[in-house]
Amino acid sequence: GDSVTQMEGPVTLSEEAFLTINCTYTATGYPSLFWYVQYPGEGLQLLLKATKADDKGSNKGFEATYRKETTSFHLEKGSVQVSDSAVYFCALSERNSGGSNYKLTFGKGTLLTVNP
Amino acid sequence: NAGVTQTPKFQVLKTGQSMTLQCAQDMNHEYMSWYRQDPGMGLRLIHYSVGAGITDQGEVPNGYNVSRSTTEDFPLRLLSAAPSQTSVYFCASSHGVAGKNIQYFGAGTRLSVL
Repeated sequence: GDSVTQMEGPVTLSEEAFLTINCTYTATGYPSLFWYVQYPGEGLQLLLKATKADDKGSNKGFEATYRKETTSFHLEKGSVQVSDSAVYFCALSERNSGGSNYKLTFGKGTLLTVNP
Repeated sequence: NAGVTQTPKFQVLKTGQSMTLQCAQDMNHEYMSWYRQDPGMGLRLIHYSVGAGITDQGEVPNGYNVSRSTTEDFPLRLLSAAPSQTSVYFCASSHGVAGKNIQYFGAGTRLSVL
């Protein structure tokens, strides 16, 4: 079945440091890939997504590129801020016969703490 | 613009008690799902629904029931709560149209079973 493996945390960085959170996946077809973020005490919010190979998702300075050859979707940000402190989840979703996807398979999450 | 609303936010149950976690969305989404979040486990799918009157099991369905009588509501029932069901529960919804199927999550229900 489908699975997502992401870098174990916690990750602690200083403000303005470079961030990479690794994510690799196993899927039978051609999934869509997502990064979700969960701020303390809140639900999950979509951060970015990519729906096909070589697509780059980006939002709020975060980027991730869908790499089919390495089955990876690593999250990067060039300069983190204290407000980026949160739990980050990598996820995938397989398309159903109708072309839409609704079941998400999540990684275990990576806690990021950014210190001033 | 309420989005996905979950109630209650917090609940404490005794083993064997029953309760229903409520989930409502006002975006006319076809798909709705329930996940549980446990430390070190990420989120795992409990049950999902592709439309009113249609439900199916996810990865960890045991001990939970669902129904979908309307597009808006997707309650999750615990018939006889067990300590293993202590968790944070998230409801999510999305459109069923390719390209518009981003999942939106509620704020969660934190459940403790003693």
